[in-house]
Amino acid sequence: QKEVEQDPGPLSVPEGAIVSLNCTYSNSAFQYFMWYRQYSRKGPELLMYTYSSGNKEDGRFTAQVDKSSKYISLFIRDSQPSDSATYLCASRSGGSYIPTFGRGTSLIVHP
Amino acid sequence: DSGVTQTPKHLITATGQRVTLRCSPRSGDLSVYWYQQSLDQGLQFLIQYYNGEERAKGNILERFSAQQFPDLHSELNLSSLELGDSALYFCASSQQDRGEGYTFGSGTRLTVV
Repeated sequence: QKEVEQDPGPLSVPEGAIVSLNCTYSNSAFQYFMWYRQYSRKGPELLMYTYSSGNKEDGRFTAQVDKSSKYISLFIRDSQPSDSATYLCASRSGGSYIPTFGRGTSLIVHP
Repeated sequence: DSGVTQTPKHLITATGQRVTLRCSPRSGDLSVYWYQQSLDQGLQFLIQYYNGEERAKGNILERFSAQQFPDLHSELNLSSLELGDSALYFCASSQQDRGEGYTFGSGTRLTVV
C-alpha cells in the first residue's frame, strides 16, 4: 500500500461545477500537505501548502486536511476548462523535507 | 516558464545504453531534486543535492547517479538502461534544503527501446 493514495479518475465535470478531489494517507507522522497541478507535458506546480488540520483558501481553491481520518481534500469552485489537469496530493513529516506524492487524479472540465 | 530548465526534452535510446539528463535550477535556488514519474509508480523521489552536496536519497537504482556542479546545475546519469526505465524524469529546485514547495521543470521524457 502506498503511503498516499488517490483515485486516478478521470473525473469529468461540467464547467462551473464544484470539484472535490481527495487523498488518503497512512503515515501518522505526516504534518505538511500539498496539492500540485500538472498539465499535460508539464511539470507539477504547487497550488496549496498547508500544515496540520484545517482549511486553507486561495481564490477558487480550498484545501482541507482531517488528520483524525487521514483525509486530504481539494475543492475547486466555479471550475473552468483551464482547470483540466492532473492533481497530485503530497505529504511529508516534520522530520523529512521530502514529500511523498500520490499518483494523481485526472480532472476534465468540459464546457 | 517555471525557471527550471531541463534538457533534453525527449530522449530515445536503446537498452544497455547510458544517458545524461541536465537540469539548471531557478536563479538563487541551491537545492535540486530529481524525480521519476511513470504511470504505474507515480512521482518517485530519486535524489536531492544542496549546494553541491548530496542531501537525501530515495529509491534511486545503483545504475543511476547524479551530481551538482559549482554553478548549481545538476546532471542525472542513467546507465545500463532497461525498458522499465522509460519514464518522465523531473528536476525541481528550491531555495533552501527544505522542500517548502518545489518548482519543477518540464521534464525529460526518456524512451528506452
